[in-house]
Amino acid sequence: EDKVVQSPLSLVVHEGDTVTLNCSYEVTNFRSLLWYKQEKKAPTFLFMLTSSGIEKKSGRLSSILDKKELFSILNITATQTGDSAVYLCAVGPPIIQGAQKLVFGQGTRLTINP
Amino acid sequence: DGGITQSPKYLFRKEGQNVTLSCEQNLNHDAMYWYRQDPGQGLRLIYYSQIVNDFQKGDIAEGYSVSREKKESFPLTVTSAQKNPTAFYLCASSRRGSNQPQHFGDGTRLSIL
Repeated sequence: EDKVVQSPLSLVVHEGDTVTLNCSYEVTNFRSLLWYKQEKKAPTFLFMLTSSGIEKKSGRLSSILDKKELFSILNITATQTGDSAVYLCAVGPPIIQGAQKLVFGQGTRLTINP
Repeated sequence: DGGITQSPKYLFRKEGQNVTLSCEQNLNHDAMYWYRQDPGQGLRLIYYSQIVNDFQKGDIAEGYSVSREKKESFPLTVTSAQKNPTAFYLCASSRRGSNQPQHFGDGTRLSIL
């Protein structure tokens, strides 16, 4: 059975701290790993990673994939209260006929205290 | 603005009742998906559709049904056979292509009366 495990499940830090969120996976067929941020409702897309060792960066957020060790990390530097959210990791197989069946982890609930 | 619209935002179901959740997208995406999210858990795939008039079961399809008569619309029916329907339901869509992420609507929260 395909599995995606995120850690920690919950994290509370102070504004300005740097955090690292982890995602490990065991899947039979891998094509891509995705990170989403979910505040109240719709998860919003952050990154898609397909190749090992290539860092993707957007502002204070960055992510990298290790396909040998089967994990990814999401880093957030200089955290702000607006970074408080649930961060979801998902893994998908090669896309067949246009659709991709993602497997999601449980999410990491990040709380940034002022 | 392009996006995915789910309605209603909140829905209450009585025992033995079927309810239908609406999902409409104007992004011209081919693929559409329905997920269920329970507290403290990740998203689980209910059904997905690659193209009009075609759909496939996901990991937890029992007690649910869908249709895809139009490209823009992918309604989900929660039937009375679904014994534990209380959850947050999310609809997503994506373009064709290997590097196209799924984008989500704002969700419908379904509760039992």
